[in-house]
Amino acid sequence: QVQLQESGPGLVKPSQTLSLICSVSGGSITTGGYYWSWIRQHPGKGLEWLGDFYFSDSTSYNPSLNPSLKSRITLSVDTSKNQFSLKLNSVTAADTAVYYCARVGGWYMFDHWGLGTLVTVSS
Amino acid sequence: QSAVTQPRSVSGSPGQSVTISCTRNNTDVGGYDFVSWYQQHPGKAPKLIVYDVTKRPSGVPVRFAGSKSGNTASLTISGLQADDESDYFCCSYTDRYSYVFGGGTKLTVL
Repeated sequence: QVQLQESGPGLVKPSQTLSLICSVSGGSITTGGYYWSWIRQHPGKGLEWLGDFYFSDSTSYNPSLNPSLKSRITLSVDTSKNQFSLKLNSVTAADTAVYYCARVGGWYMFDHWGLGTLVTVSS
Repeated sequence: QSAVTQPRSVSGSPGQSVTISCTRNNTDVGGYDFVSWYQQHPGKAPKLIVYDVTKRPSGVPVRFAGSKSGNTASLTISGLQADDESDYFCCSYTDRYSYVFGGGTKLTVL
């Protein structure tokens, strides 16, 4: 059974960089047919897909994100550790959210999720 | 990008059926049969309950049924149980090679 787990600081100061890692167990991120995503949820709000990657291909970012957000996101992968990561620089209070990593199944759905990690941006 | 439109809340009594709608346009919900639904209990991660509009992952009861007509997808939960009380989100693949989620619907079991 594939399991995902997010890790990273729960508190980030404004203007700093938010860095999160998603560790995958029970399966390899290099297994063909799966994309690996980051999704966030503002407190009490809906979900927002940030982007995903395929291990042998390019990384995709949500084209509908606010340009100021899109320009600050970087997704990367470390296949040797079976992890992938999210970096969001120059954070503001608006980036306070629960951040989830998830696997995209072969039929355009998110079939496995991490538990999520709350990141608060505050001085 | 606006979220897919869902009712903010629905309610029903145990044993009854409720339907949650998910509406946007023909570049996402109406254009692809890649609508999925997620159940999210408070403080928990979302759980996939329907994908490809009508399919259920293994272990999801048949009480959860998805459908679609035009630009509106729907999730019907029949035989309501207390544990069904939760937030429900729909999600659709889009013509921009991305995903858009609904704003979420809070289901209350009376």
